[in-house]
Amino acid sequence: DVKVTQSSRYLVKRTGEKVFLECVQDMDHENMFWYRQDPGLGLRLIYFSYDVKMKEKGDIPEGYSVSREKKERFSLILESASTNQTSMYLCASRPPTGHGYTFGSGTRLTVV
Amino acid sequence: QKEVEQNSGPLSVPEGAIASLNCTYSDRGSQSFFWYRQYSGKSPELIMSIYSNGDKEDGRFTAQLNKASQYVSLLIRDSQPSDSATYLCAAGLSAGKSTFGDGTTLTVKP
Repeated sequence: DVKVTQSSRYLVKRTGEKVFLECVQDMDHENMFWYRQDPGLGLRLIYFSYDVKMKEKGDIPEGYSVSREKKERFSLILESASTNQTSMYLCASRPPTGHGYTFGSGTRLTVV
Repeated sequence: QKEVEQNSGPLSVPEGAIASLNCTYSDRGSQSFFWYRQYSGKSPELIMSIYSNGDKEDGRFTAQLNKASQYVSLLIRDSQPSDSATYLCAAGLSAGKSTFGDGTTLTVKP
């Protein structure tokens, strides 16, 4: 089975800090995604990548950036954390075409 | 209008009953559709994929797709308390992205 590993399950950061969320998948998938999930707002796409060093903005990229230096690793960066970025962050990967996602276990980030 | 709309729920059914979860989508270009199950405090897990009109069965789960009506459904037969979760409907978009509905919370009462 595909495994998607997110480095932290819970994270507490201070306003203004630079925050790195790491995601690693072990099945050589080209496509990787970062979503955030908030009550009443559902899953919203932040950024995605379909190849090494390639990245595309999703629906809510403001305040975030990403890095994909290796195929298996997709990092989400909060340049200057703010309280409105408190959320559950979900990383996902999938094969090139037609398949659903495999999600990581999620990182619950609290910005204080 | 959201791209994927689901019954807001919550939905409650007795154990052994059929649970019916419904979803509509707005992008006629979508070709792939997915159902995910999300237990409280956990991440979503893919349980069904469907790509063509008609029914697709997998154990107690049946996914139904009607592209003309832009409608996707998930039926859970012989519902069990362990099926209690939030079910997310998703439509595949270009570049491998998916857009998700807000989910329907199902409770199966023993």
